[in-house]
Amino acid sequence: SQKIEQNSEALNIQEGKTATLTCNYTNYSPAYLQWYRQDPGRGPVFLLLIRENEKEKRKERLKVTFDTTLKQSLFHITASQPADSATYLCALDSNDYKLSFGAGTTVTVRA
Amino acid sequence: DARVTQTPRHKVTEMGQEVTMRCQPILGHNTVFWYRQTMMQGLELLAYFRNRAPLDDSGMPKDRFSAEMPDATLATLKIQPSEPRDSAVYFCASGLGSTEQETQYFGPGTRLLVL
Repeated sequence: SQKIEQNSEALNIQEGKTATLTCNYTNYSPAYLQWYRQDPGRGPVFLLLIRENEKEKRKERLKVTFDTTLKQSLFHITASQPADSATYLCALDSNDYKLSFGAGTTVTVRA
Repeated sequence: DARVTQTPRHKVTEMGQEVTMRCQPILGHNTVFWYRQTMMQGLELLAYFRNRAPLDDSGMPKDRFSAEMPDATLATLKIQPSEPRDSAVYFCASGLGSTEQETQYFGPGTRLLVL
């Protein structure tokens, strides 16, 4: 069966450090993978998209890698700030622009 | 600043009552998605439209849920009759549905509590 697994534990880090989140998947062949941020009481907000032929993508302090052999994506937040505290969701395209989402990893950045 | 809007934002109802949730997608977006989010199941796709035509509603309990797009500016999700297990946050999202732009834009959600 298809499965998307993100860090099972919440991530607590000190301000200024790098947060690294993992997204592993089985029985998918995604053409792309997306990362979303969700704050409490709000809908998910798109952050980054990485395609199957791309190894790495960056946007400001965010970096995403995609390894289709390992079936894994890593999401890095560098120089983390308390404002980065949120839940981060990975999403895979499953067919025809539909997305399947992981359960999310909650990140808390301590000042 | 274009955004997806949803109404109502909160709904408390009693078991057996009909619930209707509404969504206005971003103007020009041709794909609309309905999701349900719970702590246990996470974000699940319920139904999906392109150019107002339903493409996939396999995630929806057919006996009680229905989704429609009466026009390009309105999508509805109905539950009749509602049950306590339907308590969740329901999100609508829209997108351009193109290979150049696969991003989905989510609304603020409708928080539903069925007593």
